[in-house]
Amino acid sequence: GQQLNQSPQSMFIQEGEDVSMNCTSSSIFNTWLWYKQEPGEGPVLLIALYKAGELTSNGRLTAQFGITRKDSFLNISASIPSDVGIYFCAGDTGGFKTIFGAGTRLFVKA
Amino acid sequence: DAGVIQSPRHEVTEMGQEVTLRCKPISGHNSLFWYRQTMMRGLELLIYFNNNVPIDDSGMPEDRFSAKMPNASFSTLKIQPSEPRDSAVYFCASQFGTEAFFGQGIRLTVV
Repeated sequence: GQQLNQSPQSMFIQEGEDVSMNCTSSSIFNTWLWYKQEPGEGPVLLIALYKAGELTSNGRLTAQFGITRKDSFLNISASIPSDVGIYFCAGDTGGFKTIFGAGTRLFVKA
Repeated sequence: DAGVIQSPRHEVTEMGQEVTLRCKPISGHNSLFWYRQTMMRGLELLIYFNNNVPIDDSGMPEDRFSAKMPNASFSTLKIQPSEPRDSAVYFCASQFGTEAFFGQGIRLTVV
């Protein structure tokens, strides 16, 4: 079935550093989404991308929809301790089902 | 809107007991998803509904798991009988278009 390969699995960084994570797939997606899950909560949508090549920012977060429609990346600039959490990429093929990646666990040291 | 509401937040039960997890989706959302999250397996899609109809239940691990959506504002996930390996956080999410909105999850512990 369709799968998303998300990397890295985890990241340990210093406050103030920039972060980059990505997702790839052998399948083409119509939509790429990035979610963040904080401890004890459900994932929350950060950014949605709807068009190949699209680059979208949300504060310190920037995400891009790859031109092949098979990949996406998320960058976080100048990380702060509250960026800690699990970041999930997700892809939608235009059907009802959204496929989630395994997540990137981000740890930020103050 | 209060968002997706799940209950209970925590459930501790003994092996062999029946467990029912409840979800109230966001009004107007026509798709509902049940996920299970564990450290080992991450976020797994169990089943999803569109317009109250189950579309794909291929993620349901065993016949012990069943889900219903009797109307647009309510869904249940039932495990009968429960086993210790069912211990996990169970999320319900509702979706309109491509953006899913998750509940806070139900932490299930089967002892």
